[in-house]
Amino acid sequence: EAQVTQNPRYLITVTGKKLTVTCSQNMNHEYMSWYRQDPGLGLRQIYYSMNVEVTDKGDVPEGYKVSRKEKRNFPLILESPSPNQTSLYFCASSRSGFRFTDTQYFGPGTRLTVL
Amino acid sequence: AQTVTQSQPEMSVQEAETVTLSCTYDTSESDYYLFWYKQPPSRQMILVIRQEAYKQQNATENRFSVNFQKAAKSFSLKISDSQLGDAAMYFCAYRSVSNYGGSQGNLIFGKGTKLSVKP
Repeated sequence: EAQVTQNPRYLITVTGKKLTVTCSQNMNHEYMSWYRQDPGLGLRQIYYSMNVEVTDKGDVPEGYKVSRKEKRNFPLILESPSPNQTSLYFCASSRSGFRFTDTQYFGPGTRLTVL
Repeated sequence: AQTVTQSQPEMSVQEAETVTLSCTYDTSESDYYLFWYKQPPSRQMILVIRQEAYKQQNATENRFSVNFQKAAKSFSLKISDSQLGDAAMYFCAYRSVSNYGGSQGNLIFGKGTKLSVKP
């Protein structure tokens, strides 16, 4: 089944404790992206990747890191999480970042709480 | 920068009736894509319908259709014969076809409209 998976689905952590949220897709997609969703704000892009080893900042990149060493994986890293990073996070992928007709497929979301 | 506005935080519809969700956007571009995504309680983001700005014909997908008014920068979603399973948060989103002033592939979302369906 074609899908985007994220792990963990739920995470409660404390301020300053490094964490990684994994994202994997099995559709051989070139483009991958991370969004965060906050009440009343909709979804906002954190980082994106056009292909392996090619990443760039989205609208709200502060406090986050990403890497794209393999085509299928695009982990989101919080080196020192803070309470304002409490949010619902979505990973998304599409066949190509250049083909704007391509649909972005979303993962199931990761609910992160930083105490 | 582009913005997307959904002016109805919540809407309600009777089962089997029709409801229209509003979306307006602001852009200086002439070519772009518009989307409606559905987010049910499971939180999964599901693409409902997509519209290319250069196409005058309104997109339709079964019970879902859009009214795309390019000059007015309006992109409303009509749900016909509403079903209980349509209850969800609906997001309107914009995607540029150029990279000028923003990240490639970035979907710019509105704040969402919560749709309730009454039996």
